[in-house]
Amino acid sequence: GQQVQQSPTSLVLQEGENAELQCNFSTSLNSMQWFYQRPGGSLVSVFYNPSGTKQSGRLTSTTVIKERRSSLHISSSQITDSGTYLCAPDTNAYKVIFGKGTHLHVLP
Amino acid sequence: NAGVIQTPRHKVTGKGQEATLWCEPISGHSAVFWYRQTIVQGLEFLTYFRNQAPIDDSGMPKERFSAQMPNQSHSTLKIQSTQPQDSAVYLCASRTGSSYEQYFGPGTRLTVL
Repeated sequence: GQQVQQSPTSLVLQEGENAELQCNFSTSLNSMQWFYQRPGGSLVSVFYNPSGTKQSGRLTSTTVIKERRSSLHISSSQITDSGTYLCAPDTNAYKVIFGKGTHLHVLP
Repeated sequence: NAGVIQTPRHKVTGKGQEATLWCEPISGHSAVFWYRQTIVQGLEFLTYFRNQAPIDDSGMPKERFSAQMPNQSHSTLKIQSTQPQDSAVYLCASRTGSSYEQYFGPGTRLTVL
């Protein structure tokens, strides 16, 4: 079946360091959606990225459709960036399959 | 735009009781999804409605779970005879018919004692 692999599973950073989160998908996809979730919180869409690179503040998403992968770069991390980042490939089907997420902890 | 609304935010039931969860999608969104999230399984797809019609319920445990969308402004997820393994956060999401970008509600945390 379709699989979504996110790496790393968890990441601990000192405030100010950069982070690179990866998402790989086993079959073809049309685009990628990245979500952020605080512990006990809901999912907030961070990026909906059909292809190429999109930037929003300190966050940059790059999706390479042909290679079935997407990355989320966080620059100058802040404590408030702590939480879980989930990727969800859009496979031209209504059913969205999520990765297990990357748990990010930013320390002061 | 109030976003996707889910009620209640928390629900505690005893084993064997019924639980009904409510979702109000964003106005104008024609697609509604239900997901279940646990630490062990992560986010799992449960069911999908398009223009109020049930399209796919392949993620629903067959015997005790049911979902309905009686009108375009709300959907319900009903769990009969709740079991401890049903404890999870149940998330509702909606999107327009022309985009795959989903918007999630805050979720309902169900605890079955």
